[in-house]
Amino acid sequence: AQKVTQAQTEISVVEKEDVTLDCVYETRDTTYYLFWYKQPPSGELVFLIRRNSFDEQNEISGRYSWNFQKSTSSFNFTITASQVVDSAVYFCALTPLLTGANSKLTFGKGITLSVRP
Amino acid sequence: EAGVTQFPSHSVIEKGQTVTLRCDPISGHDNLYWYRRVMGKEIKFLLHFVKESKQDESGMPNNRFLAERTGGTYSTLKVQPAELEDSGVYFCASSQVPDRVEQYFGPGTRLTVT
Repeated sequence: AQKVTQAQTEISVVEKEDVTLDCVYETRDTTYYLFWYKQPPSGELVFLIRRNSFDEQNEISGRYSWNFQKSTSSFNFTITASQVVDSAVYFCALTPLLTGANSKLTFGKGITLSVRP
Repeated sequence: EAGVTQFPSHSVIEKGQTVTLRCDPISGHDNLYWYRRVMGKEIKFLLHFVKESKQDESGMPNNRFLAERTGGTYSTLKVQPAELEDSGVYFCASSQVPDRVEQYFGPGTRLTVT
């Protein structure tokens, strides 16, 4: 069975603060993919990043960075110098990396981030 | 390239009525998924089509839910008869084969059953 835990439910920061969104996962699969999606007020889920389990290199994309630590089963997401436009619900998700397998995503409950001006 | 579209965006129906949700995937995407988020909970998988075939429908809650994808293009999800606990946001996603891991989501349909 797979499980994704996003223990933080709501976070509120002031613009320009850095904020880290936590994601902890459980899986019996030895290879898997991890994702982050953003859901802005408009409602659609916007893909942010995909990492596979055999690549633990951290990634930075502009103000966004991701820290993947297999030893602690965590895939945390940091927004540097947050902006009001970052206000959204953020979801972490997991899927097995197996050819031919169903690639359904297992999601966490999501974290509501509010960035105040 | 057009993204995944869903219709309607909102639907309010009474308990016992029927509702049909529609999803148009990105053109050329053979994989189509339905997910649902009940308020405050996780987004949960409902089912997965590969072209017109159901690959996995293990997440469908019960036999009041019927999904179809005739011709392997758009998909419909019918709820009949609707119950109060069916309220939530229904998301559709699509992905390509063989690069089917990255799923692109639509804006969702918010269903309210009163």
